[in-house]
Amino acid sequence: GQQVMQIPQYQHVQEGEDFTTYCNSSTTLSNIQWYKQRPGGHPVFLIQLVKSGEVKKQKRLTFQFGEAKKNSSLHITATQTTDVGTYFCAAFTGGFKTIFGAGTRLFVKA
Amino acid sequence: EAQVTQNPRYLITVTGKKLTVTCSQNMNHEYMSWYRQDPGLGLRQIYYSMNVEVTDKGDVPEGYKVSRKEKRNFPLILESPSPNQTSLYFCASSPRPAVRLAGPNEQFFGPGTRLTVL
Repeated sequence: GQQVMQIPQYQHVQEGEDFTTYCNSSTTLSNIQWYKQRPGGHPVFLIQLVKSGEVKKQKRLTFQFGEAKKNSSLHITATQTTDVGTYFCAAFTGGFKTIFGAGTRLFVKA
Repeated sequence: EAQVTQNPRYLITVTGKKLTVTCSQNMNHEYMSWYRQDPGLGLRQIYYSMNVEVTDKGDVPEGYKVSRKEKRNFPLILESPSPNQTSLYFCASSPRPAVRLAGPNEQFFGPGTRLTVL
């Protein structure tokens, strides 16, 4: 079945450093969502991208959707300890089935 | 308060003993879904429902059943649980998407149910 590859699996950063996670699909996506899950918590919606080449910003977070709608990225500028958690992409190919990436777990050292 | 609730939050059971995990949302959402989360595998969709009496398989439906008799409830049934169904389960709901959007809108997740099958 369809898969979404998410890299890296883990990332350790020093507070203040930047962080990026990537999602790649072999098939064209209709839209993609990003979620954050704090340790011991549940996934929380961050953003949805629909248009080719779309870029959206939320404070220190920048989300991109590739021109071919096969990849997406989440970039955090100047990480803070509150950014710790696992970031997931959720991909859709035109139906209502959801395919999640395996997630990138972010560790931030103060 | 708008929320998705799941019960029980924790459950330890034995192989073959039928169980039901309930999920309820108070946001009048059309779309509901069940996921399981396992280390290194992220979230995998079990079943989803686009409205009352409309359900469909996700990526890992084997060994599970669902029903959607009411809009607010979407129970997950394990008729004969096995140890490989030990996992963290999440229910999620989503409002009706905009016409131009092909998939569901943002999904609101419940707190999770940690299931152990011995």
